[in-house]
Amino acid sequence: KAGVTQTPRYLIKTRGQQVTLSCSPISGHRSVSWYQQTPGQGLQFLFEYFSETQRNKGNFPGRFSGRQFSNSRSEMNVSTLELGDSALYLCASSLTASNTGELFFGEGSRLTVL
Amino acid sequence: DQQVKQNSPSLSVQEGRISILNCDYTNSMFDYFLWYKKYPAEGPTFLISISSIKDKNEDGRFTVFLNKSAKHLSLHIVPSQPGDSAVYFCAASAGMDSSYKLIFGSGTRLLVRP
Repeated sequence: KAGVTQTPRYLIKTRGQQVTLSCSPISGHRSVSWYQQTPGQGLQFLFEYFSETQRNKGNFPGRFSGRQFSNSRSEMNVSTLELGDSALYLCASSLTASNTGELFFGEGSRLTVL
Repeated sequence: DQQVKQNSPSLSVQEGRISILNCDYTNSMFDYFLWYKKYPAEGPTFLISISSIKDKNEDGRFTVFLNKSAKHLSLHIVPSQPGDSAVYFCAASAGMDSSYKLIFGSGTRLLVRP
């Protein structure tokens, strides 16, 4: 079956702009998480959604937001982009609601802010 | 404050030898630990996990050891193969947290030399 799909794969924005990233989880998966990966920082947790509800949020400013739709697809938005927002944004889905289930990651959306 | 630390950014081993990747954590509430592997231009993929009720879990060439008193876990790969060359991330979660939130380390880049 199809894996986690993220669009766009690559994008370039300038400071002050906003961006929306999309994630389609594996069919049947209801939990979607977002992570930011930057060199030397590993993967930083952004937020997690389950059944259209945000269940947990990481330590990111309010410029970072997300949502999940009834079909489990998710979007994340970053407003007023800063240079430091340049990163690989990874989406992951899980079949179970439990935090001991396996996370399946997409290939990521690489954002460059100029 | 990094709750999960991978202090070795890189490791190089000869093919056929053992690779040992280390991970330390500070949060005593963590009770589930995972290792993910990431190739360039791909999302991380789940490798192996261990619950805090165990001190060892083995899956083929991969074994994870957990030392709760030292808040330390390690991933052993025996024998190492060139295809194992990738970035390895250690991750942890707390069972008390009902949502799906993994705390990742910064990763260790493993190079297996032929």
